[in-house]
Amino acid sequence: QLQLQESGPGLAKPSETLSLTCTVSGGSISTSSYYWSWIRQPPGKGLEWIGSIYYSGATYYHPSLKSRVTMSVDTSKNHFSLILTSVTAADTAVYYCARVQKSSDFVDYWGQGTLVTVSS
Amino acid sequence: QSALTQPRSVSGSPGQSVTISCTGTNSNVGDYNFVSWYQQHPGKAPKLMISDVTKRPSGVPDRFSGSKSGNTASLTISGLQAEDEADYYCCSYAGSYTLVFGGGTKLTVL
Repeated sequence: QLQLQESGPGLAKPSETLSLTCTVSGGSISTSSYYWSWIRQPPGKGLEWIGSIYYSGATYYHPSLKSRVTMSVDTSKNHFSLILTSVTAADTAVYYCARVQKSSDFVDYWGQGTLVTVSS
Repeated sequence: QSALTQPRSVSGSPGQSVTISCTGTNSNVGDYNFVSWYQQHPGKAPKLMISDVTKRPSGVPDRFSGSKSGNTASLTISGLQAEDEADYYCCSYAGSYTLVFGGGTKLTVL
C-alpha cells in the first residue's frame, strides 16, 4: 500500500522560507505513470494546487505561486520536496503531498497533511 | 488561474439525491475530460470519489456518479446517507500540466 508522509517545521516566520519533504513508501517515486504534487488548504478554506514534479525533475507550478515555489525530487531517497519563499500569513495552511495519475490528472493518494503556520 | 465555481453548500434528507455543480471555463472543465471529485471529512485528507468525469474508483459506492456538460461538471449522490455529510471538491486539468480545484461544497444530510 502506497503511503506518503509530509515532514518539516510547523512554524515559519513572515518573509522567511517554508520547507517540506514528502517521503513515499510502498512504491517507487521513479515511475513514468505519476506526477508528485503539493496541495494546500488554508484553515476553513478550499484546496489549492501548488505544483507537481515528475521523477525526471520536470516541474510545473501554479501561476500565482511560480515566483516563490521550488520543487525538487530525490529518487535515491524516494522523496520530493517543496520550498516556498517570502511567506506571509496567507501561506498558513495544511500542506498535503499527493500522487497524481499522469494519464488522467487525478489524485489517487494523499499524505495525511501537515499544518504550517506563518507567524512571528 | 481562477478556482472552479461550486455552491458553498447543499443539503438533502436521507434517501434523497443531491447534485453538486462545478463550473469552469473552456480552458479547463470545458476542454478536458479530466474532472475529478474528492470527499473530505473534517480533519482528514481528501478521498477520490470520481475521476475522468464519470469513473468510480474501486470501493466507492455506485450512489456516487459524475457527469459533464460544456463547462460544468456535476457530482450526484443518490440515496443519501449520514456518512455522506462532508465537503466535496471538484478538480480539473487546466492545461500545461496544471490542476485547478473548486472552492468546495459543504453537504449537509438533514
